[in-house]
Amino acid sequence: AQTVTQSQPEMSVQEAETVTLSCTYDTSESDYYLFWYKQPPSRQMILVIRQEAYKQQNATENRFSVNFQKAAKSFSLKISDSQLGDAAMYFCASDPPGGGSEKLVFGKGTKLTVNP
Amino acid sequence: GAVVSQHPSRVICKSGTSVKIECRSLDFQATTMFWYRQFPKQSLMLMATSNEGSKATYEQGVEKDKFLINHASLTLSTLTVTSAHPEDSSFYICSARDGLREQYFGPGTRLTVT
Repeated sequence: AQTVTQSQPEMSVQEAETVTLSCTYDTSESDYYLFWYKQPPSRQMILVIRQEAYKQQNATENRFSVNFQKAAKSFSLKISDSQLGDAAMYFCASDPPGGGSEKLVFGKGTKLTVNP
Repeated sequence: GAVVSQHPSRVICKSGTSVKIECRSLDFQATTMFWYRQFPKQSLMLMATSNEGSKATYEQGVEKDKFLINHASLTLSTLTVTSAHPEDSSFYICSARDGLREQYFGPGTRLTVT
């Protein structure tokens, strides 16, 4: 079974600074997707960024970028120029292949605090 | 992006009663929907996978007779908590999957059983 591990229960960053959230996963598959989701206090899950395993180029979405190391099974999220609105729980997730009803496997989450 | 709605957002019910939560994909068809449960300060726990027109697939440890799931159309799935008890109080989240392997999440339903 696929597992996702987030080793940092909590992280903090100063506003305008950069922070990196760690995520490792374990899979025997070669084709899979990886995601970072944000859950603010409203508890609405918001997709931050996604990475297709077959793509070597790291995904980027504005201030959010990933460092995808396939051999090391590592998928970290870098948030640049942190803003107060970035404060939230961040969940790393994987989507293993299987055709049809692939289900997300979530890590336990990292609570990010942004200090003004 | 695609929008998924959930109704109600909050519900309080008495112990022993049943409560139904609806999950709708508003602007796309979802052949697969997922139901999650989230305890405070914890991650999402997948309860079941709901496929349109077929029986739901429940995760290990989830009572299918207690958590009834119906996926009657490509835009609607319902979760019914039957004979609810205080320990069923939780935050329930649904998601709907589009054809591009992306899941869109509903805003969640907070269930309180008194």
